[in-house]
Amino acid sequence: EVQLVESGGGLVQPGGSLRLSCVASGFTFTAHYIDWVRQAPGKGLEWIGRIANKANNYHADFAASVKGRITFSRDDSKNSVYLQLKSLKTEDTALYYCTREGHSEGPDLDHWGQGTLVTVSS
Amino acid sequence: QSVLTQPPSASATPGQRVTISCSGRNSNIGSNNVHWYQQVPGAAPKLLIHSNSQRPSGVPDRFSGSRSGTSASLAISGLRSEDEADYYCAVWDETLTVPVFGGGTKLTVL
Repeated sequence: EVQLVESGGGLVQPGGSLRLSCVASGFTFTAHYIDWVRQAPGKGLEWIGRIANKANNYHADFAASVKGRITFSRDDSKNSVYLQLKSLKTEDTALYYCTREGHSEGPDLDHWGQGTLVTVSS
Repeated sequence: QSVLTQPPSASATPGQRVTISCSGRNSNIGSNNVHWYQQVPGAAPKLLIHSNSQRPSGVPDRFSGSRSGTSASLAISGLRSEDEADYYCAVWDETLTVPVFGGGTKLTVL
């Protein structure tokens, strides 16, 4: 069974930083891109970025809303992806989902974690 | 303001057919595959339709998708109470060079 488990959320002060983790299981991790999608309370889905697999040189793409503040890393030996977000703003408050990108063209996010909640507040 | 436009809400009674639209541009829907997600209250989103009209394993054939020009649609036939959820379209945008989501449509089963 495919599973994605996020962790690392919590309360962070504005201007602070956070590191979220996503541990995957149940599939060939090295064959897939991993995308992150967030959802502010009561709002819609926002794609924030992705990291490719080794075959695609771990290339990363980012949404304009987080570009310059976000980095991704990936440890294939641990089936894990890490998201680091700095200079946090109150508008970064959201549930952050780790997702697996399928093999169809476009945002074919075929499996999702349950999310980890990040609250940015003083 | 989302790049993709969806109606904020839709409603229908059990057994009826409902259609949810997703309107975009040549740079997104006009040139790339559309994917649809269902988010039941309190749960993570789930891929419902990929590549415009393809259902992942386990998705009932009551759900169907289509794309024409710069618009896409999700249709649900034989509506059931458990279909009450938020529905989102998503597609790669060639101009922004990132994926984009529609604003979502809240479906109410009356």
